[in-house]
Amino acid sequence: RKEVEQDPGPFNVPEGATVAFNCTYSNSASQSFFWYRQDCRKEPKLLMSVYSSGNEDGRFTAQLNRASQYISLLIRDSKLSDSATYLCVGVNAGNNRKLIWGLGTSLAVNP
Amino acid sequence: NAGVTQTPKFQVLKTGQSMTLQCAQDMNHEYMSWYRQDPGMGLRLIHYSVGAGITDQGEVPNGYNVSRSTTEDFPLRLLSAAPSQTSVYFCASSWTSPDYNEQFFGPGTRLTVL
Repeated sequence: RKEVEQDPGPFNVPEGATVAFNCTYSNSASQSFFWYRQDCRKEPKLLMSVYSSGNEDGRFTAQLNRASQYISLLIRDSKLSDSATYLCVGVNAGNNRKLIWGLGTSLAVNP
Repeated sequence: NAGVTQTPKFQVLKTGQSMTLQCAQDMNHEYMSWYRQDPGMGLRLIHYSVGAGITDQGEVPNGYNVSRSTTEDFPLRLLSAAPSQTSVYFCASSWTSPDYNEQFFGPGTRLTVL
């Protein structure tokens, strides 16, 4: 099992829809997580950090469920500009605190 | 601020050639990293640096060298290019370790090795 797993999608949703992705992690000692957004053929950019139970920033909400070992990203009122790949990143507990990158979930918001 | 810049944007090499991918940041970040991104593999850490004069290996360091003579620059050298090094390379920087801090990525270098 990969340490950080994501449904690759693609998720196709209409403008204005609410969409949610999950990211599961295998290391129960992982302490913090990130969601990065990557547009096609561009670099990743930080969307949100998740250090405790969750985080909210405008239309975006991230929640951490430690019991079930997953992080979710909820996007409300989807915009065309939300179309991108969303990368989940976990941080391993321990001395090296290595970042573990998921393969990403592809989202297409359609007019 | 230009942020993180990378050159070149595209490069084609023949097997056995060497080259240096350039990376610079103007945010005075201590921590810099090099990643490669391949389909089905996600981002993998090649080398990283916690400050000028200090570098360390990441997950996939073989075939690559780095140096960090200044805070701003972190070049990645391919010693003898192989087709397996065909990839998209991203340089990233952060204030301190990226386990707690946002990483800022450069636009990437798309490398093809024939």
